[in-house]
Amino acid sequence: GAVVSQHPSRVICKSGTSVKIECRSLDFQATTMFWYRQFPKKSLMLMATSNEGSKATYEQGVEKDKFLINHASLTLSTLTVTSAHPEDSSFYICSAMGTKAYEQYFGPGTRLTVT
Amino acid sequence: QKEVEQDPGPLSVPEGAIVSLNCTYSNSAFQYFMWYRQYSRKGPELLMYTYSSGNKEDGRFTAQVDKSSKYISLFIRDSQPSDSATYLCALVLAGANNLFFGTGTRLTVIP
Repeated sequence: GAVVSQHPSRVICKSGTSVKIECRSLDFQATTMFWYRQFPKKSLMLMATSNEGSKATYEQGVEKDKFLINHASLTLSTLTVTSAHPEDSSFYICSAMGTKAYEQYFGPGTRLTVT
Repeated sequence: QKEVEQDPGPLSVPEGAIVSLNCTYSNSAFQYFMWYRQYSRKGPELLMYTYSSGNKEDGRFTAQVDKSSKYISLFIRDSQPSDSATYLCALVLAGANNLFFGTGTRLTVIP
């Protein structure tokens, strides 16, 4: 099956610093990738849709200047949390879309803790 | 009203039981119906997908869709402790890419 990786799997950073999370589709090309945020015992909240070579589309309420998304190639999308604050602490998960709309393959997630 | 409603549970069953997980939705334009399994601190894993009313079986798992009632189900037969996870339904609108997730049902299978 399709494999999506994320790096790092967990990161602890100080308030005010920036953190970059990578999402890679390892064995297929993904023109569209998604970034989600998940709070404990809650469902996934879509943050943005990332299309290769174009600007990301952010969901309502998600600050695009705070959560910078870059989808520079068909196998890599990055999410940068800028000037992180403790309230940004969460589980961030990416997914990559296959050839069909229902084919979304998820990464293992990145746990971000901002101290 | 949420687009997709799912009972969050938690649900505890003895090993070997049949498990029934359900979601309802309000928008008849949903075209694709998926079930994901998520283990603690991991990303969701696609279990099954379907796009038509009726049943689809894969091993111990059966996905059922009733478009007239806007109701989808996932049945797990002969449940195992390794099935303990959170199960999320996810729906896709016709012509769109975004997944609309249910809240997830936390399942525990007791040995």
